[in-house]
Amino acid sequence: DVKVTQSSRYLVKRTGEKVFLECVQDMDHENMFWYRQDPGLGLRLIYFSYDVKMKEKGDIPEGYSVSREKKERFSLILESASTNQTSMYLCASSPPWGGTGFSPLHFGNGTRLTVT
Amino acid sequence: TQLLEQSPQFLSIQEGENLTVYCNSSSVFSSLQWYRQEPGEGPVLLVTVVTGGEVKKLKRLTFQFGDARKDSSLHITAAQPGDTGLYLCAGEDSSYKLIFGSGTRLLVRP
Repeated sequence: DVKVTQSSRYLVKRTGEKVFLECVQDMDHENMFWYRQDPGLGLRLIYFSYDVKMKEKGDIPEGYSVSREKKERFSLILESASTNQTSMYLCASSPPWGGTGFSPLHFGNGTRLTVT
Repeated sequence: TQLLEQSPQFLSIQEGENLTVYCNSSSVFSSLQWYRQEPGEGPVLLVTVVTGGEVKKLKRLTFQFGDARKDSSLHITAAQPGDTGLYLCAGEDSSYKLIFGSGTRLLVRP
C-alpha cells in the first residue's frame, strides 16, 4: 500500500511566522501535490511537482512556496503565515500521467493548521 | 475554469435507505474519480470511470459516468453507518489535473 506521511496532524502558528509542512511518500511516485481543504470549497490545488526540483503553480499559489529536493519529499512553505491560511492541508502523490489516462491520488491524513 | 457541482451538500438518512449523489459540470472530463474521506483522514479513492456511459459497482455502491462525460452519479443501496463520510468527485482535465467538487457530507444514522 502507498503511504503518504505528513509530519504534523495539528499545528498552531502565529501571524507572520514562516511555516513548513512536510510530506513523504514511499512509493517512488513522480507526482506530488499540495491541496488545501475548506468547508464548502472542496480541495483546491496549491502547487504540484512532477519531478525532483520541478514545481508548477496550482489554482491558489499566492502566499505559498514549495520545495522538492528529493523524489519522496515535498514541502509546503508559508513564507509569512496569515489568518486566512488557517485550513486543512493535504499532501498527495500519484504515478506519472499519461498511458492509462488517469492517475489516482494517494493522500496523507492532513495537517490542520491554525494561524492566530 | 472548470467547475464540478456536487449535490446535495449534506445528506442525513436512516440506515437501510438508498441515496444518490450527483456530480455535474459543463465541461468534458477524460475520467472521473470518486473519493471518500472519513474524519481525521485523507480522501481514499473508491473508483475511476473513464468511458461515457460506464457503470461500475463496488458492493452496494454504483457509480455511473454520463454519456457525454460531463456528469456522474453515485448510488448507495441500503446505506450503512460505515458509509458515513465526505464523498468527493474529481474530474481529470486535458492536462491530467484533477478538479474536485465541493463534496457531499453523508451521515447514516443507525
